[in-house]
Amino acid sequence: AQSVAQPEDQVNVAEGNPLTVKCTYSVSGNPYLFWYVQYPNRGLQFLLKYITGDNLVKGSYGFEAEFNKSQTSFHLKKPSALVSDSALYFCAVRARTGANNLFFGTGTRLTVIP
Amino acid sequence: GAGVSQTPSNKVTEKGKYVELRCDPISGHTALYWYRQSLGQGPEFLIYFQGTGAADDSGLPNDRFFAVRPEGSVSTLKIQRTERGDSAVYLCASALGGSQETQYFGPGTRLLVL
Repeated sequence: AQSVAQPEDQVNVAEGNPLTVKCTYSVSGNPYLFWYVQYPNRGLQFLLKYITGDNLVKGSYGFEAEFNKSQTSFHLKKPSALVSDSALYFCAVRARTGANNLFFGTGTRLTVIP
Repeated sequence: GAGVSQTPSNKVTEKGKYVELRCDPISGHTALYWYRQSLGQGPEFLIYFQGTGAADDSGLPNDRFFAVRPEGSVSTLKIQRTERGDSAVYLCASALGGSQETQYFGPGTRLLVL
């Protein structure tokens, strides 16, 4: 079975400070891992993905994520938060074999305080 | 280029009625997915098409739900005898087709069953 855990429902950070949104996963074999962002009344927007290779993945809008196989984690990070980063963030996992669909976490609401 | 589009953006119906939700994927994308997102939750998989055929419909909750993609492009999700519990945002995503390919999401259809 595949699953994703986002342990924090809400993350608050001051503008200009670094931010981290946590994600851990469970999957058989090696995973494909994704981060999406959702703004109010909008669909999911792709940020970045880990497929293979370098464990540090860089994505859109200055976001990055680090794949840690031993800790089964894929935390999303940004060195300096912007107010416009405030949104709902979803981590998703897919196994390399078997089902093609994504399994999503329950989301983390990020609020960047001016 | 144009992204995934979904119509209608909002649909209000009465319990017991039939509804159709439409998804227009990104041109050239052979894979198409339907997900359902309830309030406060991450998207949950419903069905996956590769070309015209439903490759995986294991996420459909019951036989009231059905989806088609007759020409391998536009897809329609059909819900018969709607129930109040069907109220959710229905998201469509498309991808180039490989298992590592990014899924790009549409804005969703918000369905409210009264």
